[in-house]
This record gives sequence, structure tokens and C-alpha cells, in this order.
Amino acid sequence: GAVVSQHPSRVICKSGTSVKIECRSLDFQATTMFWYRQFPKKSLMLMATSNEGSKATYEQGVEKDKFLINHASLTLSTLTVTSAHPEDSSFYICSARSGSRHEQYFGPGTRLTVT
Amino acid sequence: AQKITQTQPGMFVQEKEAVTLDCTYDTSDPSYGLFWYKQPSSGEMIFLIYQGSYDQQNATEGRYSLNFQKARKSANLVISASQLGDSAMYFCAMREVNTGNQFYFGTGTSLTVIP
Repeated sequence: GAVVSQHPSRVICKSGTSVKIECRSLDFQATTMFWYRQFPKKSLMLMATSNEGSKATYEQGVEKDKFLINHASLTLSTLTVTSAHPEDSSFYICSARSGSRHEQYFGPGTRLTVT
Repeated sequence: AQKITQTQPGMFVQEKEAVTLDCTYDTSDPSYGLFWYKQPSSGEMIFLIYQGSYDQQNATEGRYSLNFQKARKSANLVISASQLGDSAMYFCAMREVNTGNQFYFGTGTSLTVIP
């Protein structure tokens, strides 16, 4: 089955630094990738949707200059948290979809801790 | 092997009827949690219900109940008295406690409630 990987699985960074999270589709072409952030009560908030080769579409309230998303190829999307603050500490999950298929394949998530 | 399997890509249910969404999982970790999320067209993943591997009773949350059959490794979601607003994608997920707390998601089931 389709596999999506995320790297790193856990990262600790200092306040003010930037951190990059990678999301890869290992055996299929991900024309669309999604980035989620997990909040208390376990819901996952959609941060942005990215289509390969075009700019990401950010959800309302998500700072695009802070959460930089790049989807440069059909197998890789990156989320860069710039000038990280402790309140950015969270669990970030990506998912990928191929073409018009409805199935989404989720990555295992990245735990970000900003100290 | 797939950690989470949802075999129903699409389901239809008559309004006010009950519907069961299937989910099977694969793990050797004795400690794990099972989740169901609802994804409406807005994209957010809304947490619905949680079942711990050691919970003796099936979880219930309002109209949602989780039919947990541990020996069969199944965690089906039952929605009673379906409403039009229940039309959405539904994702089953698992988190293994002893192997890094990674999230594993199924590919989703699209539920359509018919008036």
C-alpha cells in the first residue's frame, strides 16, 4: 500500500530558530499534500494544502510567512517553521493524495518541541 | 502490512438510520489507542471517539460508538440516527504507545447521508 514518511519523527529546537519537516510519498505520486497540526482534544487542524508545483493554500489564521510550505516535487513536501516559539510546539502530520482519488495517506507525524 | 485498514471507500446511509464504518488494525504493541476522526469538506480532522487497548468497555460519545473487538483487531465506528451533517470522510487511526507514539491512519471512508 501507499506509504508516506515524515522526517524527523521528533525534533527539539530553541526559540527563534527554524526547523524543517519533510513529508515524502514513497511509492506514489502525491499531487496534493496536506499539513495538519494537532491541538488539545485530539483534533487535527488543517494548516495548508499544497499542489505540486504551485503555492500552498493556507487556511484562515495560519501565518504563511511563519509556516513555509514547499511542494517542489510529486514525492516531497516540506514544512518549515520559522522563528519558532514555544507555542509552536505541537504534533504536525502530513497526508498525501494522488490525482482525484479520495484516499488520503497519512505520515506518522512529527513531534516539535520548542524550548 | 497496513497498520490500519478501512475497506469501504464509500458508504451511503438513509437519514435516521444507523451505519457501521469498518476498521481493522495490525499491531504487536500491547498498549495502543484507537481513534476515529471526521473530516468534513472544510478539511479539519475532527476527533470523534477514542478507545484504549486496555479499556474493558466499548467507547461511546453521543451518537458515536466504537465496536471494539480486540481478538479480531477491529474497531468499527457505529453512527446511530444518521444526520445529513454526518456526510464526510471518516478516518480510523491508531497510536502505538511503546513504539514512538506514531500515528497510523486508514485511507478513509466517504459517508453520504441520503435524505
